[in-house]
Amino acid sequence: KNEVEQSPQNLTAQEGEFITINCSYSVGISALHWLQQHPGGGIVSLFMLSSGKKKHGRLIATINIQEKHSSLHITASHPRDSAVYICVAAPLGGSNYKLTFGKGTLLTVNP
Amino acid sequence: NAGVTQTPKFQVLKTGQSMTLQCAQDMNHNSMYWYRQDPGMGLRLIYYSASEGTTDKGEVPNGYNVSRLNKREFSLRLESAAPSQTSVYFCASSEALRGRNIQYFGAGTRLSVL
Repeated sequence: KNEVEQSPQNLTAQEGEFITINCSYSVGISALHWLQQHPGGGIVSLFMLSSGKKKHGRLIATINIQEKHSSLHITASHPRDSAVYICVAAPLGGSNYKLTFGKGTLLTVNP
Repeated sequence: NAGVTQTPKFQVLKTGQSMTLQCAQDMNHNSMYWYRQDPGMGLRLIYYSASEGTTDKGEVPNGYNVSRLNKREFSLRLESAAPSQTSVYFCASSEALRGRNIQYFGAGTRLSVL
C-alpha cells in the first residue's frame, strides 16, 4: 500500500466548477507538497505546507495534521488547469531526500 | 535563469547500449536528484546527491550510476540499457529552505529501450 494515497485518480470538470483533490498519508511528515505536471511533462511546485492553509491565485491547499489529510482546491476552474496534480510527503525526522510521491490525479477541465 | 536543464529530451536505445543523461542547474542548489516516472506509479528516486562530492542510492538504483561532476551538474548513466528502463526521467534540485525541501524539476527525458 502506497504511503500517500490520492483521490480521485481521474477527474473531469466543466469550466468554472470548483475542484477538490484529496491526499491522505500514513507517515509522519515534516511538510507536504503539491506539484502540477502539465501534459507536456514539466513539473512545477505549487505549494509546500506543514499546517493550515495556503492560497495562490485560484489555488488553495489545506492540511489537517491530526487527520493526516490534505486537499487541493481550484476555484473557477479553467481548461488550462488540466494537468496531473501530485501530492508529496516529506517524512518527519528522516532525510529530506526520502520524499514519498502519490500517483497523481489527472484533472481535465472542459470548456 | 534557466532553472534545471536536462538533455536530451528524447532518446531511443537498443538493449545493451549505454548512454548518459545530463542535468545542470543554475540556482546554486546543493542537492540534486534523479527520478523515474512510470505509468500508474509515482515518481521514484533513483539516486541523489546531497552536496557536491556525495551521492547516495534512492529507491530504485539498480542499473544506474551517477556522477556529481560539480555543484551545477549531476549526470545519470545507463551502462547497459534494458527494456525495463523505458521511462521518463526527471532531474531535480533543491536548497533546503528553513529546513524544508522545495524541489525544482527539469522538463524530463523520455527514454525508450527496444
